[in-house]
Amino acid sequence: EVQLVESGGGLVQPGGSLRLSCAAFGFSFSSSTMNWVRQAPGKGLEWVSYISSSSSTYYGESVKGRFTISRDNAKNSLYLQMNSLRAADTAVYYCARKLPSGAFDIWGQGTMVTVSS
Amino acid sequence: DIQMTQSPSTLSASVGDRVTITCRASQSISTWLAWFQQKPGKAPKLLIYKASSLESGVPSRFSGSGSGTEFTLTISSLQPDDLATYYCQQYNGYPWTFGQGTKVEIK
Repeated sequence: EVQLVESGGGLVQPGGSLRLSCAAFGFSFSSSTMNWVRQAPGKGLEWVSYISSSSSTYYGESVKGRFTISRDNAKNSLYLQMNSLRAADTAVYYCARKLPSGAFDIWGQGTMVTVSS
Repeated sequence: DIQMTQSPSTLSASVGDRVTITCRASQSISTWLAWFQQKPGKAPKLLIYKASSLESGVPSRFSGSGSGTEFTLTISSLQPDDLATYYCQQYNGYPWTFGQGTKVEIK
């Protein structure tokens, strides 16, 4: 079955760090472009970061310099290292596959990150 | 950044009604637009890509149209299962951006 499964969310204090993981199943992960998208409680969707199959990366302005996206094709896994976390980073974080056509067609179930003292 | 504006923010309609949601881009995005459906507590689900292409497995009552800066998502006959929030997203250029969402309620 084609699916993405996120893990690693939790409660962290402001200024702290957290690493999210996304495991891919049922498709060619190594040739896929992957993304992180987040959704603050009761709010809309915000694209966070992108990594190509060749590991080129892009970031949204709100996380640039604090978050790092990476991948391990041998483990069919995507990661998001989040440093210097702020209350505004509190959200459900989704990983999503981006098709060559551009659309995000597969999404994980999400993992909740709460930044609070 | 390209701003995406959806209208209305909320709509209430009856089962069987034709429902239309509008999405406007702050600059031309050609047809690089997707529509997603998100049910409470669930991940977004791709409905439409490239403005008017129906994703595999999505009921044919959903359709998309538009190009440039004006786009619409139409549900031809609203069903109880369509209770959800709908988002448009542009993927013409970085950063990819979403509309603020349209919540569809069943009367």
